[in-house]
Amino acid sequence: EIVLTQSPGTLSLSPGESATLSCRASQSVSKNYLAWYQQKRGQAPRLLIYGASNRATGIPDRFSGSGSGTDFTLTVSRLEPEDSAVYYCQQYGNSPETFGPGTEVDIK
Amino acid sequence: QMQLQESGPGLVKPTETLSLTCIVSGGSINSNSYHWGWIRQPPGKGLEWIGSIYYSGSTNYNPSLKSRVTISIDTSKNQFSLRLTSVTAADTAVYYCGRRPYYYIDVWGKGTTVTVSS
Repeated sequence: EIVLTQSPGTLSLSPGESATLSCRASQSVSKNYLAWYQQKRGQAPRLLIYGASNRATGIPDRFSGSGSGTDFTLTVSRLEPEDSAVYYCQQYGNSPETFGPGTEVDIK
Repeated sequence: QMQLQESGPGLVKPTETLSLTCIVSGGSINSNSYHWGWIRQPPGKGLEWIGSIYYSGSTNYNPSLKSRVTISIDTSKNQFSLRLTSVTAADTAVYYCGRRPYYYIDVWGKGTTVTVSS
């Protein structure tokens, strides 16, 4: 089973700044099948990125994904207060699919 | 626009069986474009994939839960279901159903809270 590690655990930033979130896999993710989700408090997760770098429908271009193999990054530019959430990565290239523990982003 | 809605008991006793249904609206579940899955989130914790099903009925389960999980699909009712047997307090979680174009989830239900307690 692939274990995903996300860093940092918590990120506190100001509006307008950029956030860089890391997701590291314990072994190479097949075909770079990695997704990112945003979960706001009390809500279901929302798909942001799939296939490491493809934005999901309706996701603003402030959100971008990159990386390959074992190292992946989600970058959120021009942070807005509504971006406060927990961000999870998921690998779905190897069975069983697994999620990372999440990075909490706080916009003050 | 497709929507998914979980339904089922919010309280289950230890050792009993948890049963949930996901009702799909705004589109057909009988599609070769999607798998349909269940994911759960214990209180204050991260996400855990439970398993998924294709319209044909083929399934794929998380090995850690495989001995206790059954996912089924009813295309006539446009819904799919989860059964988890022999539950314990560790199965207390918010349970989500989702649509999977591949193995990521692009449409999520709002989630339903299931508490295991006597």
